[in-house]
Amino acid sequence: EVQLQQSGAELGKPGTSVKLSCKVSGYNIGNTYMHWVNQRPGKGLEWIGRIDPANGNTIYAEKFKTKATLTADTSSNTAYMQLSQLKSDDTAIYFCAMGGTPGWFAYWGQGTLVTVSS
Amino acid sequence: DIQMTQSPASLSASLGETVTIECRASEDIYNGLAWYQQKPGKSPQLLIYNTNSLHTGVPSRFSGSGSGTQYSLKINSLQSEDVASYFCQQYYDYPNTFGAGTKLELK
Repeated sequence: EVQLQQSGAELGKPGTSVKLSCKVSGYNIGNTYMHWVNQRPGKGLEWIGRIDPANGNTIYAEKFKTKATLTADTSSNTAYMQLSQLKSDDTAIYFCAMGGTPGWFAYWGQGTLVTVSS
Repeated sequence: DIQMTQSPASLSASLGETVTIECRASEDIYNGLAWYQQKPGKSPQLLIYNTNSLHTGVPSRFSGSGSGTQYSLKINSLQSEDVASYFCQQYYDYPNTFGAGTKLELK
């Protein structure tokens, strides 16, 4: 059974960074792509970007190119997303998801709530 | 970026009723469309991919159709467990984009 286990909730101060993790079990992330999606409170879904864990190749949505940094560690089967220069507008739930490139997302993590507050 | 316009934003229907949710893309997305169901406090769950392919384990009362810029999700014989929000996603091109969602409630 494929499972994506995300790290716990984060509280970050404005101007700081947080790094979220997404550990995959039941599938080798080297054979797929890892995507990240956010959902602001009460809002819809927004695609942030994706990484090919096999070679580190990344694609970002334009608005996240200087906000998010995606990495992956195939030895631990874990994907990461660092969010930098946090602002209150970054408060959201962040999901990791497995999918093609491009492609649909058959598997999702449970989400990590990031709250930005001083 | 490809814009996905989803309608209606909210929908109230009775048990056993058939409901349809629509998504219109700002350009042809060549059937690169998926539908997701999201319940409060949960992550989205894939229902349909490639416009009309049912994901494993999804009840057959869900179906998808469409082409070009117009796509739809149909739920036959609405069940109480179908109360949720529904989102379309185009993955034909980057950045992937989602519709704003449809909140489905029971009448």
